[in-house]
Amino acid sequence: ETGVTQTPRHLVMGMTNKKSLKCEQHLGHNAMYWYKQSAKKPLELMFVYNFKEQTENNSVPSRFSPECPNSSHLFLHLHTLQPEDSALYLCASSQDADTGELFFGEGSRLTVL
Amino acid sequence: TQLLEQSPQFLSIQEGENLTVYCNSSSVFSSLQWYRQEPGEGPVLLVTVVTGGEVKKLKRLTFQFGDARKDSSLHITAAQPGDTGLYLCAGAVSGGSNYKLTFGKGTLLTVNP
Repeated sequence: ETGVTQTPRHLVMGMTNKKSLKCEQHLGHNAMYWYKQSAKKPLELMFVYNFKEQTENNSVPSRFSPECPNSSHLFLHLHTLQPEDSALYLCASSQDADTGELFFGEGSRLTVL
Repeated sequence: TQLLEQSPQFLSIQEGENLTVYCNSSSVFSSLQWYRQEPGEGPVLLVTVVTGGEVKKLKRLTFQFGDARKDSSLHITAAQPGDTGLYLCAGAVSGGSNYKLTFGKGTLLTVNP
């Protein structure tokens, strides 16, 4: 059992659909992150939440909308995506956003048709 | 912009062989982390190195942080099929804010039985 759980593991959606990715961490951490992993590119940081407050939005298009209702849960709402948004979306947590090491979930593989 | 270059990009070896992968940058990092990502999984932290010249060993894996804290290497002795995966290095800038980690593209290692 991993400390960071992501659902769904796989998602196929059309460009006009609305869907959400969910992440839950059971580690008692205070910081949570969304990363995008595409082939042949480094991991790209998308959003950071520290103590439920968004502290980083790395110039992410508005078709990606994060939500952090509490320190244990993080969502990524998806709307009107493009085929180039197809990627593995990784959630991670750490003790806080200033120190510590990242604990990743298994990822949600997104395909946009 | 800090960039981390990892080499080689791909490596395929036979079980029992030794190998070294590299992580290089022109920037100085306050610490550097190595992760391993197995197929279909999220990255898992292997080690964090902090001091220039530091060497850390994890069973058959030896990690070294360069004296100038700009580069790092990972040496695996007597590789096993279970070592197969994507090896990612990530550097943290001085100040230590976790969300300012910079990831390399990774080295994809395949160990054949």
